Parts: sequence; C-alpha cells; structure tokens
Amino acid sequence: DIQLTQSPSSLSASIGDRVSITCRASQSISAYVNWYQQKAGKAPQLLIYAAYTLQSGVPSRFSGSGAGTDFTLTISSLQPEDFATYYCQQSHSTPLTFGGGTKVEI
Amino acid sequence: QVQLQQSGPGLVKPSQTLSLTCAISGDSVSSTSAAWTWIRQSPSRGLEWLGRTYYRSRWYNDYAVSVKSRLTITPDTSKNQFSLHLNSVTAEDTAVYYCVRVSGYNWFDPWGQGTLVTVSS
Repeated sequence: DIQLTQSPSSLSASIGDRVSITCRASQSISAYVNWYQQKAGKAPQLLIYAAYTLQSGVPSRFSGSGAGTDFTLTISSLQPEDFATYYCQQSHSTPLTFGGGTKVEI
Repeated sequence: QVQLQQSGPGLVKPSQTLSLTCAISGDSVSSTSAAWTWIRQSPSRGLEWLGRTYYRSRWYNDYAVSVKSRLTITPDTSKNQFSLHLNSVTAEDTAVYYCVRVSGYNWFDPWGQGTLVTVSS
C-alpha cells in the first residue's frame, strides 16, 4: 500500500498568512494526488485534483504543486473560512489511501 | 449537480451486519465514467477507503484487504443507488461512513452527508 505522510499535523496561523502543507508518498505516484478540506462535522470536500487542478468553485487562493513523491497544498492568504483540516489522497493505485490530515487553527 | 443521500441505522450490535444505502441523484450508478465507493473515518484509523463498484460493460468490485472477507458493495440500477454490507462487525468498525462518487482518475467528489455507525450491544 502507498503511505502518505502529511506535515505538519497541525499549525496555527492568522488571517492573511500564507500557509503550506506537505504530503510525502512512500513511492512515486506521478501527479496522482488530490486534496480535500474538511470542516468540523462535515464531509470532506475536493479542493484540488491531479496535483494542481483546482476543483470548480474553489477559490484561487488555493493551489497545489509537486510530482513524484512530494506534494504541497498552499493557501496564499488565509481566510476565516479556511480554518479546517486538510487531507491529501493518492489515486495512483488501490487501495486508495489518505494522509493523516493537517489541522489549520487560529 | 450530483447529490448522494445516505440512509441506514446508526447502531449495530456486535457480530451483526452493518448495512447502508446511498441514493444517487444527478448521475447514474451504471455510469461508465464513474465509480461508487464507501469510505469511513474514525479517530484511530483516519480516512479509510473500503471499496468500490463500477460498470464497464459489466460490473466490477474492488475491496480493501482489511475488510475484503466481510464487505459487499452492491449496485441497484432500478433505484439508482448502491449499498454497503459489512458483516461480523466489532467495535473496531465504529466510524462515520461516507458514500462517494469516484471521478476522473480516482478522486472523490461529491461525498454523501455521512452516517455515524456505532457498534455496541
């Protein structure tokens, strides 16, 4: 199985900050990484697929980068509604797996 | 706009079968460009992909090794829905269960609302 390691597991930030979350895969997965946002008590929502393609309706302050084993989700200017937990997911091969999550807090 | 509506009990006794259903609107369970999957989330296991069903001239299923011997995912074309049946449950199966559409190259969107299932006597 492909393991995904996210870092940090949590971070504190302020409105307007630039925030980066990393996801490292246990083997090369090309660009087969997707990112999700989950708010408390809600289902995850797709933010970015195929490493850097923004899902329709997602604000442009979100961006994704990387290939191979190292990937990054960046929020260019943190907004109040962005405080949530973020997950990466690999879609290279089954079993489809997720990272452990990064909680973004004030 | 695709929407998924989950239904099923929130409490299951140990050793019994956990059954959940996901009704699809805005797409077809028989779509040849999508798959239909169940994912669960618990504090101990995080987000865990359980398995999927999809139609490509015939029906296919994939299951995670951790639940393969206990899990069945079945499509119902007459009702445009799919179901999860997990037998011989234990407290380890307590989690929030989500039904999700698999799009493109295996990304998950949209998600159902989630069902908290507790395994307890």
